[in-house]
Amino acid sequence: AQRVTQPEKLLSVFKGAPVELKCNYSYSGSPELFWYVQYSRQRLQLLLRHISRESIKGFTADLNKGETSFHLKKPFAQEEDSAMYYCALSGGGTSYGKLTFGQGTILTVHP
Amino acid sequence: KAGVTQTPRYLIKTRGQQVTLSCSPISGHRSVSWYQQTPGQGLQFLFEYFSETQRNKGNFPGRFSGRQFSNSRSEMNVSTLELGDSALYLCASSPLGVGSSYEQYFGPGTRLTVT
Repeated sequence: AQRVTQPEKLLSVFKGAPVELKCNYSYSGSPELFWYVQYSRQRLQLLLRHISRESIKGFTADLNKGETSFHLKKPFAQEEDSAMYYCALSGGGTSYGKLTFGQGTILTVHP
Repeated sequence: KAGVTQTPRYLIKTRGQQVTLSCSPISGHRSVSWYQQTPGQGLQFLFEYFSETQRNKGNFPGRFSGRQFSNSRSEMNVSTLELGDSALYLCASSPLGVGSSYEQYFGPGTRLTVT
Protein backbone atom coordinates (compact mmCIF):
# COMPACT_ATOMS: atom_id res chain seq x y z
CA ALA A 1 0.00 0.00 0.00
CA GLN A 2 1.16 3.52 -0.63
CA ARG A 3 0.83 6.27 1.94
CA VAL A 4 1.92 9.89 2.21
CA THR A 5 2.18 11.72 5.51
CA GLN A 6 2.44 15.45 6.01
CA PRO A 7 2.80 15.87 9.76
CA GLU A 8 2.01 19.60 9.93
CA LYS A 9 -1.50 20.79 9.11
CA LEU A 10 -0.52 24.41 9.68
CA LEU A 11 2.82 26.17 9.32
CA SER A 12 3.41 29.86 9.97
CA VAL A 13 6.59 31.78 9.21
CA PHE A 14 7.59 35.39 8.73
CA LYS A 15 8.60 36.85 5.39
CA GLY A 16 12.27 36.22 4.70
CA ALA A 17 12.49 33.23 7.03
CA PRO A 18 13.36 29.74 5.79
CA VAL A 19 10.53 27.29 5.40
CA GLU A 20 10.42 23.51 5.28
CA LEU A 21 7.28 21.50 4.64
CA LYS A 22 7.71 17.89 5.62
CA CYS A 23 6.59 14.87 3.64
CA ASN A 24 7.20 11.20 4.40
CA TYR A 25 6.02 8.34 2.28
CA SER A 26 5.54 4.62 2.42
CA TYR A 27 5.91 2.58 -0.74
CA SER A 28 7.66 -0.69 -1.47
CA GLY A 29 8.88 0.11 -4.98
CA SER A 30 10.37 3.18 -6.65
CA PRO A 31 7.82 5.95 -6.44
CA GLU A 32 7.63 9.24 -8.20
CA LEU A 33 7.08 12.15 -5.81
CA PHE A 34 5.44 15.50 -6.44
CA TRP A 35 4.55 18.69 -4.64
CA TYR A 36 1.31 20.38 -5.62
CA VAL A 37 0.17 23.81 -4.49
CA GLN A 38 -3.27 25.35 -4.26
CA TYR A 39 -3.45 29.12 -3.92
CA SER A 40 -6.64 30.74 -2.69
CA ARG A 41 -9.46 30.30 -5.20
CA GLN A 42 -7.18 28.63 -7.75
CA ARG A 43 -6.92 25.09 -9.02
CA LEU A 44 -4.42 22.57 -7.78
CA GLN A 45 -1.19 22.98 -9.73
CA LEU A 46 2.08 21.10 -9.95
CA LEU A 47 4.96 22.78 -8.16
CA LEU A 48 7.78 20.24 -8.29
CA ARG A 49 8.50 16.66 -9.36
CA HIS A 50 11.48 14.84 -7.94
CA ILE A 51 12.81 13.46 -11.20
CA SER A 52 13.40 16.91 -12.68
CA ARG A 53 15.42 18.17 -9.70
CA GLU A 54 14.45 21.71 -10.59
CA SER A 55 13.77 24.78 -8.49
CA ILE A 56 10.41 26.45 -8.96
CA LYS A 57 9.62 29.81 -7.33
CA GLY A 58 12.68 29.26 -5.14
CA PHE A 59 11.40 25.93 -3.81
CA THR A 60 13.44 22.74 -3.91
CA ALA A 61 12.77 19.21 -2.75
CA ASP A 62 15.14 16.28 -2.50
CA LEU A 63 14.04 12.68 -2.45
CA ASN A 64 15.71 10.83 0.42
CA LYS A 65 15.05 7.15 -0.15
CA GLY A 66 16.76 6.13 3.07
CA GLU A 67 14.46 8.27 5.18
CA THR A 68 11.55 7.94 2.71
CA SER A 69 11.13 11.69 2.75
CA PHE A 70 10.54 14.41 0.19
CA HIS A 71 10.62 17.66 2.16
CA LEU A 72 9.93 20.97 0.42
CA LYS A 73 12.26 23.84 1.25
CA LYS A 74 12.67 27.51 0.49
CA PRO A 75 15.41 29.66 2.01
CA PHE A 76 13.46 32.94 2.10
CA ALA A 77 9.67 32.75 2.28
CA GLN A 78 7.53 35.36 0.55
CA GLU A 79 3.96 36.41 1.37
CA GLU A 80 2.78 35.09 -2.00
CA ASP A 81 3.90 31.62 -0.93
CA SER A 82 0.92 31.42 1.41
CA ALA A 83 -1.13 28.49 0.15
CA MET A 84 -2.06 24.85 0.75
CA TYR A 85 0.72 22.45 -0.18
CA TYR A 86 0.20 18.77 -0.96
CA CYS A 87 2.80 16.09 -1.27
CA ALA A 88 1.80 13.28 -3.65
CA LEU A 89 3.14 9.92 -4.73
CA SER A 90 2.72 7.91 -7.91
CA GLY A 91 3.59 4.25 -7.71
CA GLY A 92 4.67 3.85 -11.29
CA GLY A 93 4.09 0.77 -13.37
CA THR A 94 0.42 0.11 -13.95
CA SER A 95 -0.60 2.39 -11.09
CA TYR A 96 1.02 5.55 -12.38
CA GLY A 97 -2.36 7.09 -13.10
CA LYS A 98 -3.13 7.09 -9.39
CA LEU A 99 -1.80 9.80 -7.12
CA THR A 100 -1.83 9.32 -3.37
CA PHE A 101 -1.92 12.64 -1.56
CA GLY A 102 -0.94 13.68 1.92
CA GLN A 103 -3.41 15.64 4.02
CA GLY A 104 -1.82 18.93 3.06
CA THR A 105 -0.06 21.72 4.93
CA ILE A 106 -1.43 25.26 5.04
CA LEU A 107 1.50 27.64 4.86
CA THR A 108 1.00 31.20 6.05
CA VAL A 109 3.75 33.73 5.51
CA HIS A 110 3.33 36.81 7.67
CA PRO A 111 4.67 40.23 6.60
CA LYS B 1 -2.93 24.75 -24.69
CA ALA B 2 -6.22 25.05 -22.91
CA GLY B 3 -6.29 23.55 -19.45
CA VAL B 4 -8.49 20.81 -18.07
CA THR B 5 -12.13 21.86 -18.02
CA GLN B 6 -14.94 20.47 -15.91
CA THR B 7 -18.67 20.96 -16.18
CA PRO B 8 -20.77 21.87 -14.40
CA ARG B 9 -18.86 23.85 -11.82
CA TYR B 10 -21.60 23.62 -9.19
CA LEU B 11 -24.40 21.14 -8.59
CA ILE B 12 -27.05 20.71 -5.97
CA LYS B 13 -28.79 17.34 -5.82
CA THR B 14 -31.14 15.53 -3.48
CA ARG B 15 -30.41 12.26 -1.69
CA GLY B 16 -31.23 9.28 -3.87
CA GLN B 17 -30.71 11.10 -7.17
CA GLN B 18 -27.89 10.42 -9.56
CA VAL B 19 -25.41 12.85 -11.10
CA THR B 20 -23.03 12.93 -14.05
CA LEU B 21 -19.93 15.10 -14.10
CA SER B 22 -17.88 15.83 -17.20
CA CYS B 23 -14.18 16.43 -17.79
CA SER B 24 -12.31 17.52 -20.91
CA PRO B 25 -8.57 16.83 -20.68
CA ILE B 26 -5.73 18.85 -22.12
CA SER B 27 -5.43 18.20 -25.84
CA GLY B 28 -3.22 15.17 -26.45
CA HIS B 29 -3.56 13.79 -22.93
CA ARG B 30 -4.91 10.26 -22.90
CA SER B 31 -5.08 9.58 -19.18
CA VAL B 32 -7.86 11.03 -17.04
CA SER B 33 -8.07 10.56 -13.28
CA TRP B 34 -10.81 11.54 -10.86
CA TYR B 35 -10.46 12.55 -7.22
CA GLN B 36 -12.83 13.43 -4.41
CA GLN B 37 -11.79 16.26 -2.10
CA THR B 38 -13.43 16.75 1.29
CA PRO B 39 -12.32 18.63 4.40
CA GLY B 40 -12.24 15.44 6.44
CA GLN B 41 -10.68 12.94 4.05
CA GLY B 42 -8.63 15.25 1.85
CA LEU B 43 -7.90 14.20 -1.71
CA GLN B 44 -8.88 10.61 -2.48
CA PHE B 45 -8.39 8.79 -5.75
CA LEU B 46 -11.54 7.50 -7.43
CA PHE B 47 -10.40 5.98 -10.73
CA GLU B 48 -8.25 6.48 -13.79
CA TYR B 49 -9.04 5.93 -17.45
CA PHE B 50 -6.63 5.46 -20.31
CA SER B 51 -7.68 4.81 -23.90
CA GLU B 52 -11.29 4.28 -22.85
CA THR B 53 -10.33 1.59 -20.28
CA GLN B 54 -10.44 1.88 -16.52
CA ARG B 55 -6.91 1.13 -15.47
CA ASN B 56 -6.92 1.95 -11.75
CA LYS B 57 -9.66 2.12 -9.18
CA GLY B 58 -9.77 3.54 -5.67
CA ASN B 59 -11.70 2.32 -2.65
CA PHE B 60 -15.10 3.75 -3.42
CA PRO B 61 -18.43 1.89 -3.60
CA GLY B 62 -19.87 0.75 -6.90
CA ARG B 63 -22.21 3.75 -6.91
CA PHE B 64 -19.25 5.65 -8.31
CA SER B 65 -18.52 4.85 -11.92
CA GLY B 66 -16.92 6.47 -14.90
CA ARG B 67 -16.15 6.17 -18.54
CA GLN B 68 -13.89 7.66 -21.16
CA PHE B 69 -14.71 8.42 -24.75
CA SER B 70 -12.55 8.03 -27.85
CA ASN B 71 -11.65 11.74 -27.72
CA SER B 72 -10.35 11.20 -24.14
CA ARG B 73 -13.18 13.19 -22.57
CA SER B 74 -14.40 11.51 -19.42
CA GLU B 75 -17.53 11.40 -17.32
CA MET B 76 -18.11 10.15 -13.81
CA ASN B 77 -21.47 9.11 -12.46
CA VAL B 78 -22.66 8.79 -8.90
CA SER B 79 -25.92 6.94 -8.37
CA THR B 80 -28.18 6.94 -5.32
CA LEU B 81 -26.55 10.01 -3.86
CA GLU B 82 -25.86 10.19 -0.14
CA LEU B 83 -25.21 13.24 2.02
CA GLY B 84 -21.61 12.11 2.40
CA ASP B 85 -21.04 12.42 -1.33
CA SER B 86 -21.00 16.20 -0.97
CA ALA B 87 -17.51 17.16 -2.08
CA LEU B 88 -15.35 18.82 -4.68
CA TYR B 89 -14.73 16.38 -7.52
CA LEU B 90 -11.49 16.97 -9.36
CA CYS B 91 -10.47 15.68 -12.73
CA ALA B 92 -6.85 15.52 -13.84
CA SER B 93 -5.22 14.62 -17.12
CA SER B 94 -1.75 13.35 -17.86
CA PRO B 95 0.29 12.91 -21.02
CA LEU B 96 1.91 9.62 -19.92
CA GLY B 97 3.86 9.42 -23.15
CA VAL B 98 7.39 8.16 -23.68
CA GLY B 99 9.78 10.40 -21.79
CA SER B 100 6.96 12.04 -19.86
CA SER B 101 6.71 12.08 -16.16
CA TYR B 102 3.54 11.03 -14.44
CA GLU B 103 2.50 14.51 -13.41
CA GLN B 104 -1.17 15.30 -13.57
CA TYR B 105 -2.84 18.57 -14.47
CA PHE B 106 -6.00 19.40 -12.57
CA GLY B 107 -9.26 21.02 -13.52
CA PRO B 108 -11.10 23.54 -11.33
CA GLY B 109 -13.44 20.90 -9.95
CA THR B 110 -17.18 20.39 -9.68
CA ARG B 111 -18.67 21.30 -6.31
CA LEU B 112 -21.43 18.79 -5.55
CA THR B 113 -23.83 19.44 -2.69
CA VAL B 114 -26.27 16.72 -1.70
CA THR B 115 -29.26 17.80 0.40
